[in-house]
Amino acid sequence: EIVMTQSPVTLSVSPGERATLSCRASRNIGTDLAWYQQKPGQTPRLLIYDASARATGIPARFSGSGSGTEFTLTISGLQSEDFAVYYCQQHSNWPPWTFGQGTKVEI
Amino acid sequence: EVQLLESGGGLGHPGGSLRLSCAVSGFTFDNYAMNWVRQAPGKGLEWVSGISASGGSTYYADSVKGRFTISRDNSKNTLYLQMNSLGDGDTALYFCAKDQSRWPGGGLDIWGQGTVVTVSS
Repeated sequence: EIVMTQSPVTLSVSPGERATLSCRASRNIGTDLAWYQQKPGQTPRLLIYDASARATGIPARFSGSGSGTEFTLTISGLQSEDFAVYYCQQHSNWPPWTFGQGTKVEI
Repeated sequence: EVQLLESGGGLGHPGGSLRLSCAVSGFTFDNYAMNWVRQAPGKGLEWVSGISASGGSTYYADSVKGRFTISRDNSKNTLYLQMNSLGDGDTALYFCAKDQSRWPGGGLDIWGQGTVVTVSS
């Protein structure tokens, strides 16, 4: 099983600033990584897949990068609606398609 | 409008069974893999199971392997999760989620609202 480790657990950021979230895979997954956003009481929303491709309707302030075992989600110019929990998930050819434990982005 | 509507959750007894359903509309169901993802109260997301678009290939998390069975009826646009030998660790909100490809592992782009499963005696 590929273990996904996210850091930090909690990230405190002011509106308008940049947030950088990290995700590490326990083995090489190429660029088979997705990022999701989940707000309290809501369902997860796909933000990024294939490490850097934005999903439909996702604003350009969300960007993903990385390959192999190290990945980053960057949120530029944080807006109030961006405060949420973010999860990474490996979507390689090797099940189970594990999630990271999440990073909470708070004000 | 794309819609995934889960049902079948509720109270299950330890060692008992429940069957979840996910009725789909708004896209061509048999073109896409489908998945179940769960979230225990106050916890993160856990991928549970996935099934290919045709239904011919199924995949499970180790935590449910041998106890849960995923299936789909493409004629009814419905996804299922048969849950047997329920344990306390199965208490969670269960989401049905559409994959972006015909095989699981393409990223989950559409999610249902979830159905709550509570395992308790």
